[in-house]
Amino acid sequence: QLVLTQSPSASASLGASVKLTCTLSSGHSSYAIAWHQQQPEKGPRYLMKLNSDGSHSKGDGIPDRFSGSSSGAERYLTISSLQSEDEADYYCQTWGTGIHVFGGGTQLTVL
Amino acid sequence: QVQLVESGGGVVQPGGSLRLSCAASGFTFSSYGMHWVRQAPGKGLEWVAFIRYDGSNKYYADSVKGRFTISRDNSKNTLYLQMNSLRAEDTAVYYCAKEAWGVYWGQGTLVTVSS
Repeated sequence: QLVLTQSPSASASLGASVKLTCTLSSGHSSYAIAWHQQQPEKGPRYLMKLNSDGSHSKGDGIPDRFSGSSSGAERYLTISSLQSEDEADYYCQTWGTGIHVFGGGTQLTVL
Repeated sequence: QVQLVESGGGVVQPGGSLRLSCAASGFTFSSYGMHWVRQAPGKGLEWVAFIRYDGSNKYYADSVKGRFTISRDNSKNTLYLQMNSLRAEDTAVYYCAKEAWGVYWGQGTLVTVSS
């Protein structure tokens, strides 16, 4: 069964870096994912598509502070030089034959 | 620029029906698959349905299969979601999104199922 697992919450200080994790279920470690950001009271915003080899393609206007990487079944989103507007929920997403899946989301707090 | 504008949300009684629309502009609508994704109050994103660029294949989450129908009119650049037999647990903001990877999203339309 295709499942994405995310930690419910994370926190980091203003100006620091944070690495969020999305884990693919067993047997699906080769899958690409997408990362989306949802700021409070707003709709989701596409950040990037992230492949199993760590290559990624970012959406329009996404700052260089956002980057992605991969290791096995883990997909990471790293945000550097954290700003207050980065405080948001972050979702990973993937899809297989006939099914699309979202992770439960990580709520990021910028201290 | 790419714009996706959802409409058609509102309050409906359990067992009722509603049709959502998503008007697309700024890209060649007929070349891209499209999603419906929903978000219940205080909850995460839940995928609802996906339709291929030409409407040839449609996929549904188990939670809506047999009750919801996704469709599109490429001549009108519009995506639809027909929702029948609505339940309280269908209450959510419904978003349309472009491409399998959700590269662009609309602002959402709220559906409330309540008596």
